[in-house]
Amino acid sequence: EAQVTQNPRYLITVTGKKLTVTCSQNMNHEYMSWYRQDPGLGLRQIYYSMNVEVTDKGDVPEGYKVSRKEKRNFPLILESPSPNQTSLYFCASSSPASGDTDTQYFGPGTRLTVL
Amino acid sequence: AQSVTQLGSHVSVSEGALVLLRCNYSSSVPPYLFWYVQYPNQGLQLLLKYTTGATLVKGINGFEAEFKKSETSFHLTKPSAHMSDAAEYFCAVSEGYQKVTFGIGTKLQVIP
Repeated sequence: EAQVTQNPRYLITVTGKKLTVTCSQNMNHEYMSWYRQDPGLGLRQIYYSMNVEVTDKGDVPEGYKVSRKEKRNFPLILESPSPNQTSLYFCASSSPASGDTDTQYFGPGTRLTVL
Repeated sequence: AQSVTQLGSHVSVSEGALVLLRCNYSSSVPPYLFWYVQYPNQGLQLLLKYTTGATLVKGINGFEAEFKKSETSFHLTKPSAHMSDAAEYFCAVSEGYQKVTFGIGTKLQVIP
């Protein structure tokens, strides 16, 4: 089954404790993105990657890091989480090569709470 | 720069009534336009999209949207609401190259 998976689905942590949210897709998509969803603000793009070793900042990159060492994986790293990073996070992938430009395929989401 | 405006963060309709969710966009180039739906505790899934060609786009679950360039709009409609349509709907615009901007979302409530 074609899908985007994220782990963990739920995470409660404390300020300053480094964490990683994993994202993996099995569709051989070139593009991957991370979004955060907050009430009243919709989805905002954090980082995106056009292919292996190619990443770029989205609209709200502060406090986040990403890496793309393999095509299928795109982890989101919070080196020193703060309470304002409490949010619902979504990973998404897409493939311009398929002609389906910019159609995002979303993971199920990770709900992060930073105390 | 591209942007999306969704009018009405909450919309209520009676079961069987017309659903109309509004979306206006701004873009410096011909845009790609999308509607996504999010059911409770789930990720977003594509409802429909406009890239080129026919301006009236049909999607899943009986929804459709019309691209009106002169009005910079891409409103989502469904002739008859069903209880299962209760969800949050997001309009999105893209100028290509993975730069996708989402609206703030509209929560649709369907009243029996």
